[in-house]
Amino acid sequence: DIQMTQSPSTLSASVGDRVTITCQASQDISNYLNWYQQKPGKAPKLLIYDASTLETGVPSRFSGSGSGTDFTFTISSLQPEDIATYYCQQYDNLPSFGPGTKVDIK
Amino acid sequence: QVQLVESGGGVVQPGRSLRLSCAASGFTFSSYAMHWVRQAPGKGLEWVAVIWNDGSDDYYIDSVKGRFSISRDNSKSTLYLQMNSLRAEDTAVYYCARDSVSIAVRSFDYWGQGALVTVSS
Repeated sequence: DIQMTQSPSTLSASVGDRVTITCQASQDISNYLNWYQQKPGKAPKLLIYDASTLETGVPSRFSGSGSGTDFTFTISSLQPEDIATYYCQQYDNLPSFGPGTKVDIK
Repeated sequence: QVQLVESGGGVVQPGRSLRLSCAASGFTFSSYAMHWVRQAPGKGLEWVAVIWNDGSDDYYIDSVKGRFSISRDNSKSTLYLQMNSLRAEDTAVYYCARDSVSIAVRSFDYWGQGALVTVSS
């Protein structure tokens, strides 16, 4: 089974800050990596697929990069509506999610 | 617009069974693989099962193998999850999610609102 880790587990940042989350896979998964946003009490929402492709309708302040085992998710300018938990998910094998990163406003 | 609506959640005793349904609309249901993903209270997301678009194959997380069964009725645009021998650790919100492809796992591009399953005596 492929294990996913994320860091940090929580982060506090100010509006307008650049926010970066990292995700690491336990083995090479090429670019088979997606990112989701989940707001409290809501279903997750797909933001980025194939490591770096922005889903239709998602603001361009969100971006992703990486391949192999190390991946990065970035919010270029944090907005109040970005308060959420963010999950990475691999699909090289049966899918699995990272533990999540909770983002809030400082 | 794409809609996924889960139903069938509730409180059930350990060892008993429950069946979840997910009614799909707004897209050609028979063209997409479908998943169940769960989230225990206050915890992260955990993928549970997938079924290919034509129902020809399915896969499960180890912890539910032999107890849960995913199925679909393409004529009714409905996905199911039959859950048997339920345990306390199965307590979670269960989401149905559409994959972006038909026969593979790629990304979960649409999600339902979730159905809460509580396993408790």
